Amino acid sequence: QVHLVQSGAEVKKPGASVKISCRASGYTFTTHGFSWVRQAPGQGLEWLGWISADNGNRNYAEDIQGRVTLTTDTSTSTAYMELRSLRLDDTAMYYCARDHPARVGYLDSWGQGTLVTVAS
Amino acid sequence: DIVMTQSPATLSVSPGERATLSCRASQSVSSDLAWYQQKPGQAPRLLIFGISTRATGIPARFSGSGSGREFTLTISILQSEDCGVYYCQQYNNWPGTFGQGTKLEIK
Repeated sequence: QVHLVQSGAEVKKPGASVKISCRASGYTFTTHGFSWVRQAPGQGLEWLGWISADNGNRNYAEDIQGRVTLTTDTSTSTAYMELRSLRLDDTAMYYCARDHPARVGYLDSWGQGTLVTVAS
Repeated sequence: DIVMTQSPATLSVSPGERATLSCRASQSVSSDLAWYQQKPGQAPRLLIFGISTRATGIPARFSGSGSGREFTLTISILQSEDCGVYYCQQYNNWPGTFGQGTKLEIK
């Protein structure tokens, strides 16, 4: 079965960067893409970006573009999200989710989430 | 961006009854509409995609309907474990956008 395992919780200071990993198993990595979604405490879901694990094509939400980079490593079946210039309001649970290989789609498997806390 | 609006914000339903959750898109999303369930402390779980197709392992009491801009998630014969927050999502246009969620409470 499909399994996505994310890296552990992070505590960062404003202005720092964070890189979260999402290791996939149970399927052929390059047959899907990944979306990254975050959820601030007590809030709803915010889609951040999408990347194809097949060809590396990617798209980012306009609000966060310029601070976020999505990558994949096919040799380890791992997707990564790096967020730079962290702000206090970046504090949230960050999720990776399996997506369509060629476009943003529905998210059929999710990682367990990585809590990122930004505090001075 | 396409704005997804869900109603009601909170719904309280007794076990065994039917729950109806609504989702409206600011423009047509064709059939690119999904529903997710999120329980406290857990990641969201895909329930429905393509308006009405149940994801693997989702019980038949969950059903989706609608078209264009108006969509409905129906949970028939509500069970206690169905409590949580339900989100709709459109994936017809960049970026995929979520509704703000409907919190389903069991009376």
